[in-house]
Amino acid sequence: AQRVTQPEKLLSVFKGAPVELKCNYSYSGSPELFWYVQYSRQRLQLLLRHISRESIKGFTADLNKGETSFHLKKPFAQEEDSAMYYCALSGIGSQGNLIFGKGTKLSVKP
Amino acid sequence: NAGVTQTPKFQVLKTGQSMTLQCAQDMNHEYMSWYRQDPGMGLRLIHYSVGAGITDQGEVPNGYNVSRSTTEDFPLRLLSAAPSQTSVYFCASSWTDRSSYEQYFGPGTRLTVT
Repeated sequence: AQRVTQPEKLLSVFKGAPVELKCNYSYSGSPELFWYVQYSRQRLQLLLRHISRESIKGFTADLNKGETSFHLKKPFAQEEDSAMYYCALSGIGSQGNLIFGKGTKLSVKP
Repeated sequence: NAGVTQTPKFQVLKTGQSMTLQCAQDMNHEYMSWYRQDPGMGLRLIHYSVGAGITDQGEVPNGYNVSRSTTEDFPLRLLSAAPSQTSVYFCASSWTDRSSYEQYFGPGTRLTVT
């Protein structure tokens, strides 16, 4: 079965500390993986996707097919990073349908 | 570009009432979808469409109906509202080309069923 697991509901760090939001997936094939972010009172928006291999707002994520993981990392957290983060998967032939994890709320304290 | 728009922003219904949540996009996207967001559950796909006249069920379609008569619009109908349908509903759209699977989300509709 296709599944995305985000084990942490809430992650709280201090400003300047490193951040890692975990994401593991279950999929028999080569999925596309995404990180979406929802800031307070804003709509959900794409942060990263593994296929582009880029860094956005200092965040990076590497697809590890051996561990079926797509963890989101940032070396120095900022207060404006506080938001809800969702890991999502799109499978071959899914026509773009996304399977979301339950989300991790990141709180960056001053 | 307005992007993806949704109306209404908030709605309160009584059990058994019906209503339609509106969604429109002006990006000429083929793909449109509806998700519901519940605390601790993430987002779950209700229905989706890959083009005008084509719709299909997602993970949680029961109690909802959709149609796609134009590329721009994808309304979601609640046939007989139940308290279990209290949720935040998001509409999204994207291209269907695999390399461009970024989905653009609307601002959401917060629905309460009493």
